[in-house]
Amino acid sequence: SAVISQKPSRDICQRGTSLTIQCQVDSQVTMMFWYRQQPGQSLTLIATANQGSEATYESGFVIDKFPISRPNLTFSTLTVSNMSPEDSSIYLCSVLGQGAGNTEAFFGQGTRLTVV
Amino acid sequence: QKEVEQNSGPLSVPEGAIASLNCTYSDRGSQSFFWYRQYSGKSPELIMFIYSNGDKEDGRFTAQLNKASQYVSLLIRDSQPSDSATYLCAVSRSGGYNKLIFGAGTRLAVHP
Repeated sequence: SAVISQKPSRDICQRGTSLTIQCQVDSQVTMMFWYRQQPGQSLTLIATANQGSEATYESGFVIDKFPISRPNLTFSTLTVSNMSPEDSSIYLCSVLGQGAGNTEAFFGQGTRLTVV
Repeated sequence: QKEVEQNSGPLSVPEGAIASLNCTYSDRGSQSFFWYRQYSGKSPELIMFIYSNGDKEDGRFTAQLNKASQYVSLLIRDSQPSDSATYLCAVSRSGGYNKLIFGAGTRLAVHP
């Protein structure tokens, strides 16, 4: 499986500010995924980031709030904009496996965001 | 109806027993099914995946899939206190698009 590094691992931010989360993968991957896990909840897919094209957002998530960059095949960023306390969550970067199935997802260690 | 449903638990089993975790899904076209383990404060860790009907065994873990019933389960034999975690069922969405839909997770507690 790929090694996925996310940073920061945690942050406490003031409401109204923005935070950019970085995700670095040790191998080239076509798709990178960003998930959110709110306290006590399961994972919800925010968007899929493909290199060379705009990210595809899931229902309920918009580019103005969660802009994503994907400048190359090993790196992506997710920005949480104009934060409110409701944005307090763990944000996870994910890539697919490189095995025959190529469908299993692997995760970075996550970014724990607290908005005050 | 949620796309992937799991009993939230907690499921409490004694050490050495078999833990049985269940999951149902609504998308009949789903092809890939996954079980993740998530310890508190950590990111999910893939422990099993299954694509075909039937059983798939890996060590103490057995995944079972029944596509007709839209049901997938995970059995953990000889449960250990270190197995105490939240287990997430994930299902790939049909249509050839590689993204996963997660259930809410079942919290498992293995007591000595």
